[in-house]
Amino acid sequence: DTGVSQNPRHKITKRGQNVTFRCDPISEHNRLYWYRQTLGQGPEFLTYFQNEAQLEKSRLLSDRFSAERPKGSFSTLEIQRTEQGDSAMYLCASSPTGIGEKLFFGSGTQLSVL
Amino acid sequence: GENVEQHPSTLSVQEGDSAVIKCTYSDSASNYFPWYKQELGKGPQLIIDIRSNVGEKKDQRIAVTLNKTAKHFSLHITETQPEDSAVYFCAGILTGGGNKLTFGTGTQLKVEL
Repeated sequence: DTGVSQNPRHKITKRGQNVTFRCDPISEHNRLYWYRQTLGQGPEFLTYFQNEAQLEKSRLLSDRFSAERPKGSFSTLEIQRTEQGDSAMYLCASSPTGIGEKLFFGSGTQLSVL
Repeated sequence: GENVEQHPSTLSVQEGDSAVIKCTYSDSASNYFPWYKQELGKGPQLIIDIRSNVGEKKDQRIAVTLNKTAKHFSLHITETQPEDSAVYFCAGILTGGGNKLTFGTGTQLKVEL
């Protein structure tokens, strides 16, 4: 499978715990995006990387959120001290070099904070 | 701020009929407008896109039209089939929003037999 891969598919955690999600983009895609989607809404931008550089972060991304892409390949999104309002689908997308707008999404990680 | 508005939020059509979903945007400098289809339990998938130098684009039963003057673009699906049932999102690259897509709120399309 050469699509965008996200793990885990589902995560249930208690409020206050830390969680980490992983995204493996399509090989050779140099841009990687994180979006968050709540029920009945469109995806909302969180942050994006060009290779290993994090170029933009949304104001939605509080200090409890951190994302990394250490070698310009896979990326991780960590949420510290989770809150119930963090419950959402976290989507990762990648795009090819030179065609930055065409996003290819993974199936997402559904986070439920109890 | 810059945004993309989409309507209707739900749309039911009979199999074989056409479906039209509309979006408006606020940034006149926007130049790229994709449409995504999202099925239950999956991420959004790009189905068609259009750039601002083109007024219409077709791909089999799917077409997108763009009116830059009015700042709106539409998705047209002809001869709808049950497998077209999904949530559809429009999006745009808004110049005030950096190099990223801003999505509409989605349209739940149901194609009834």
